[in-house]
Amino acid sequence: GQNIDQPTEMTATEGAIVQINCTYQTSGFNGLFWYQQHAGEAPTFLSYNVLDGLEEKGRFSSFLSRSKGYSYLLLKELQMKDSASYLCAVRDDSWGKLQFGAGTQVVVTP
Amino acid sequence: GAGVSQSPRYKVAKRGQDVALRCDPISGHVSLFWYQQALGQGPEFLTYFQNEAQLDKSGLPSDRFFAERPEGSVSTLKIQRTQQEDSAVYLCASSPRTQGTGELFFGEGSRLTVL
Repeated sequence: GQNIDQPTEMTATEGAIVQINCTYQTSGFNGLFWYQQHAGEAPTFLSYNVLDGLEEKGRFSSFLSRSKGYSYLLLKELQMKDSASYLCAVRDDSWGKLQFGAGTQVVVTP
Repeated sequence: GAGVSQSPRYKVAKRGQDVALRCDPISGHVSLFWYQQALGQGPEFLTYFQNEAQLDKSGLPSDRFFAERPEGSVSTLKIQRTQQEDSAVYLCASSPRTQGTGELFFGEGSRLTVL
């Protein structure tokens, strides 16, 4: 079966760094996505990894190790607006069909 | 608008009623997806259209759920004889691609509450 695990909640201080881990066991692998979702809003795309290594986009970076079934999202210089749920999603055998984790609620405190 | 538009944003239904949820994808996007998101959970795949063809409906939870996209643009998700367990946010997403890389663009969802 499919299994995507990420922590339920993380708290960090404004200006700090937070790392959200995601482990996955899926029948196939064609890429891993990170989405941000504020309460009551649409998930918005943050990053995509299909090859091993680190992808950096401004304050956000995402890492992938396919052999370990592991990814992390790194948020640097945290801002209050970064308080949201962060969703890890894997594209397995079927194009487009993303399998999502339950999401990690990040709370940024002053 | 420039994004994926869904209506209604909020729907309250009595158990047993039928509901219809509409999705207007981004213009020109050939791929369209429906997801169901329960409170505090990640989105769960329901079904996938490529133009008007429904290529995957493996995630539809029962035969009470039906989706269509007759002209390859607007899509409707219909739920018959709603049950309390159908209460969730129903997200629509679209993509200009049918293969390769590329993210999905999500709408804000339709929140269904079944009493």
